[in-house]
Amino acid sequence: NAGVTQTPKFQVLKTGQSMTLQCAQDMNHNSMYWYRQDPGMGLRLIYYSASEGTTDKGEVPNGYNVSRLNKREFSLRLESAAPSQTSVYFCASSERLAKAFFGQGTRLTVV
Amino acid sequence: AQSVTQLGSHVSVSEGALVLLRCNYSSSVPPYLFWYVQYPNQGLQLLLKYTTGATLVKGINGFEAEFKKSETSFHLTKPSAHMSDAAEYFCAVSDLEDDKIIFGKGTRLHILP
Repeated sequence: NAGVTQTPKFQVLKTGQSMTLQCAQDMNHNSMYWYRQDPGMGLRLIYYSASEGTTDKGEVPNGYNVSRLNKREFSLRLESAAPSQTSVYFCASSERLAKAFFGQGTRLTVV
Repeated sequence: AQSVTQLGSHVSVSEGALVLLRCNYSSSVPPYLFWYVQYPNQGLQLLLKYTTGATLVKGINGFEAEFKKSETSFHLTKPSAHMSDAAEYFCAVSDLEDDKIIFGKGTRLHILP
């Protein structure tokens, strides 16, 4: 079972470049999430999607956009990367109020 | 909006000793509470969850947690620590009013030989 798949696993960007992080789940979950993990800060919610076609801002949405393309896919876009966006990004999916399943993470460095 | 506070960013216990990781939550409606574990360079795995019903919840790897509404707490315990328990542990909350999952800052558990 694939579960939650994120691509890429690693990425280095220059300041000002753009990129899209891809996430897909094969568990037919309605809810999908993007988090960033930074040392000492835990996981902070960037954006959340309760169902196909809906998205909602989380705790730290500035500098990011998302797209819930269909029930399976939830992408995160950085339009103009900044060094402050250097982090590990996790995608997750769940049924409402149930356990979340996480991808393996994307380690992003912005130089 | 709901929130979670984990007391202690680092906790060290000796192998065989009691593990206690503290979590307090804030929610205006009955919460759904979770503990996750993260091993180095991996994603998060669910240890246990509380939804409704029995307040003492048993999870995987010998961990358990007790929901105490009066103390707004959901502390994680394990009677006897093992070296393999060394990891980072996250408490998380969600609720019926706002079903986003919000995480605490995490507690790194160190096991001393």
